[in-house]
Amino acid sequence: DAGITQSPRYKITETGRQVTLMCHQTWSHSYMFWYRQDLGHGLRLIYYSAAADITDKGEVPDGYVVSRSKTENFPLTLESATRSQTSVYFCASNPGTGGAYEQYFGPGTRLTVT
Amino acid sequence: SQQGEEDPQALSIQEGENATMNCSYKTSINNLQWYRQNSGRGLVHLILIRSNEREKHSGRLRVTLDTSKKSSSLLITASRAADTASYFCATSLFQGAQKLVFGQGTRLTINP
Repeated sequence: DAGITQSPRYKITETGRQVTLMCHQTWSHSYMFWYRQDLGHGLRLIYYSAAADITDKGEVPDGYVVSRSKTENFPLTLESATRSQTSVYFCASNPGTGGAYEQYFGPGTRLTVT
Repeated sequence: SQQGEEDPQALSIQEGENATMNCSYKTSINNLQWYRQNSGRGLVHLILIRSNEREKHSGRLRVTLDTSKKSSSLLITASRAADTASYFCATSLFQGAQKLVFGQGTRLTINP
């Protein structure tokens, strides 16, 4: 199916474990983004990528690692999960060309760190 | 810090009434966007207004932008139960910038 998908949709993990959240888009959009959504903070940008092998930090990058070896995939890794990383994580994409600025969001991953 | 701040944080109205949400921001922008989020879902883009535009319409949505006051409003006319959702404004700071800075959102409830 075309669009942007995230997996898993729900994840419970323990403090200190490594967790990878997956994001896949079928549009060949240049830009991809990772956000976290917490009550009282809205959406905050963690990392973004302008193209394969080009990534940059957002507002709250500490404790997260990203990679983008293929245009369609943008995984987010929590190297050593902490309780403060309990959140809902959204991936988004954007064509990045033609003056198009709107972003297309995935359904989210609800992560609980115990 | 958040670029956009939305007001009110929560709004409850009767079906058929109009709903107005406001967004203020701190720095100059290239464009401002509004998104809707239904409970438990991802955000959906509603409308984009560029810094050189003052008003834009899309169906029952009307967005205004006042760059001198660094503020925007989203008006939903003739509200429906299906409009119940959270609404977020997001700003793009300069031309070519694909990053968005989101406000904290307004939770809109439409009562039947």
